[in-house]
Amino acid sequence: KQEVTQIPAALSVPEGENLVLNCSFTDSAIYNLQWFRQDPGKGLTSLLLIQSSQREQTSGRLNASLDKSSGRSTLYIAASQPGDSATYLCAVLTGGFKTIFGAGTRLFVKA
Amino acid sequence: NAGVTQTPKFQVLKTGQSMTLQCAQDMNHNSMYWYRQDPGMGLRLIYYSASEGTTDKGEVPNGYNVSRLNKREFSLRLESAAPSQTSVYFCASSEPGQGWGYTFGSGTRLTVV
Repeated sequence: KQEVTQIPAALSVPEGENLVLNCSFTDSAIYNLQWFRQDPGKGLTSLLLIQSSQREQTSGRLNASLDKSSGRSTLYIAASQPGDSATYLCAVLTGGFKTIFGAGTRLFVKA
Repeated sequence: NAGVTQTPKFQVLKTGQSMTLQCAQDMNHNSMYWYRQDPGMGLRLIYYSASEGTTDKGEVPNGYNVSRLNKREFSLRLESAAPSQTSVYFCASSEPGQGWGYTFGSGTRLTVV
């Protein structure tokens, strides 16, 4: 059974710091991995989608990597800003329309 | 703006009442999903529709029914609401031609008293 774990559960950093959020999964037979952002009381906004054949994706200050063999993905946020404060979730599509979500990392960027 | 639209945004029900949560997408996606999000439990799949005319159970289907009305619309019905169904409900859609990436609606916050 696929399990998705995100560490740390919460993170507080000063503005301007570069940071890495981690996502691990137990079964390497995935179709894709997607990173989302969720603001309090809001829906999930897609940040980056990595197909199983890809190693990384970039969008602005965000870079996500995927290493299927080790069952890991990282989300790198450069030059963090207070507006980056949110919960970040990773999700793994294992096929058969079954996407497993991690519990998320709550990020707080201090001004 | 293109995306997934959910109605209502908030709802309070009494135990035993019924209601339907509406979801519509305008991205021409084939697949649609209903999730619930609870503190400490994360996102759990209730039902999904791989394509128009098909629906299947997810992880937590008990107490719910769904209807894929057409390609755009996928509704979730609570026939007899229970306090355990207090949650935030999200609808999502995806498409193979777009790498199966999910697009989510803004959610419905449901309280059953």
